[in-house]
Amino acid sequence: RKEVEQDPGPFNVPEGATVAFNCTYSNSASQSFFWYRQDCRKEPKLLMSVYSSGNEDGRFTAQLNRASQYISLLIRDSKLSDSATYLCVVNLPTGNQFYFGTGTSLTVIP
Amino acid sequence: DVKVTQSSRYLVKRTGEKVFLECVQDMDHENMFWYRQDPGLGLRLIYFSYDVKMKEKGDIPEGYSVSREKKERFSLILESASTNQTSMYLCASSVQANTEAFFGQGTRLTVV
Repeated sequence: RKEVEQDPGPFNVPEGATVAFNCTYSNSASQSFFWYRQDCRKEPKLLMSVYSSGNEDGRFTAQLNRASQYISLLIRDSKLSDSATYLCVVNLPTGNQFYFGTGTSLTVIP
Repeated sequence: DVKVTQSSRYLVKRTGEKVFLECVQDMDHENMFWYRQDPGLGLRLIYFSYDVKMKEKGDIPEGYSVSREKKERFSLILESASTNQTSMYLCASSVQANTEAFFGQGTRLTVV
């Protein structure tokens, strides 16, 4: 069983739409959670950390549900520049390993 | 800003060659990682290091080795390159456990 699973998509949405991605993790003792963004042929870059209380950064909202072991990312008012692959990342209790989902592809259409 | 630098963006090597991929970070991070990224498989951890001269196997260490002689530098070595090692290789570092990882720009390695 994979440590982290996410729907690969692709998600094709019009500009201005709201889109949500979910990601599930298998280890209930996982400690830290992140969303990364990866543009085509580029390295992943941190989009936001995910805190237990949920957190928001402009149009982006991240939530953590420990009981159901999933994290989510909500993007409001999608922009063309949001087109990318979004990676869910979980840090295991041992602390020194990050586990990545395979990524969800988003294309925002004019 | 944290900077993680990989020595090459693109490499083409022949089967059987010994290949060195270098990674340097400038923020005194304890942890360093090597991943490979393949379509449909995502990022898979090859090796990581949490201190100088320390290394731990990740999920797919076979065919690879690493070296960390200095805190800022983490090298990935392909002892005898094979075509199934054609991939994008990503180095990352993090300051400590549970903090975010910062990535280098990646090395696209092709083994022919």
